[in-house]
Amino acid sequence: AQSVTQLDSQVPVFEEAPVELRCNYSSSVSVYLFWYVQYPNQGLQLLLKYLSGSTLVKGINGFEAEFNKSQTSFHLRKPSVHISDTAEYFCAVSGDSGYSTLTFGKGTMLLVSP
Amino acid sequence: NAGVTQTPKFQVLKTGQSMTLQCAQDMNHEYMSWYRQDPGMGLRLIHYSVGAGITDQGEVPNGYNVSRSTTEDFPLRLLSAAPSQTSVYFCASSSTGGDNSPLHFGNGTRLTVT
Repeated sequence: AQSVTQLDSQVPVFEEAPVELRCNYSSSVSVYLFWYVQYPNQGLQLLLKYLSGSTLVKGINGFEAEFNKSQTSFHLRKPSVHISDTAEYFCAVSGDSGYSTLTFGKGTMLLVSP
Repeated sequence: NAGVTQTPKFQVLKTGQSMTLQCAQDMNHEYMSWYRQDPGMGLRLIHYSVGAGITDQGEVPNGYNVSRSTTEDFPLRLLSAAPSQTSVYFCASSSTGGDNSPLHFGNGTRLTVT
């Protein structure tokens, strides 16, 4: 079985500061990794994905993530956040069943203040 | 460019009542799924479908039924609502349903069972 651990339930940060949202996973098979973002009262949107190849993945809105197989991590980073980045961020893993039966972490709420 | 459409957006039920949450997608996606989102729990898979006429259970299927008579629609039925089913429900679809296929989410249905 696969699982995802998001180490921080909430991350407060000031505008224009850098941020890292941490994600660790466990799986017995090769994995595909995703970060989704959920703005208030909306569904989830894909931020970026790691399928194969380069371990540094760039996504929308200036976010990037690095796949580290030895540490089973897929941390999300942004060098300078904006107020509009305030949202909940979910890390997810698939690869266990052959279908898009994603396993999600419990989410990290990013709170950006002026 | 509707994507995944969920109705209704909000619903209040009394214990024991039944209802159907509607989900439709216009992207000709083969794979569709239902998740529930609860505070501090992330998203948990209820049921999924890999094509018309084919459905399967996810992590938390009890109390819910699904059917997939067309590619476009994937309704979720609560036969006898319970307070434990108070949650936000998301429908999601993907093109192939493969593990590397990102999910497209609807905006959710917020259900309260009293």
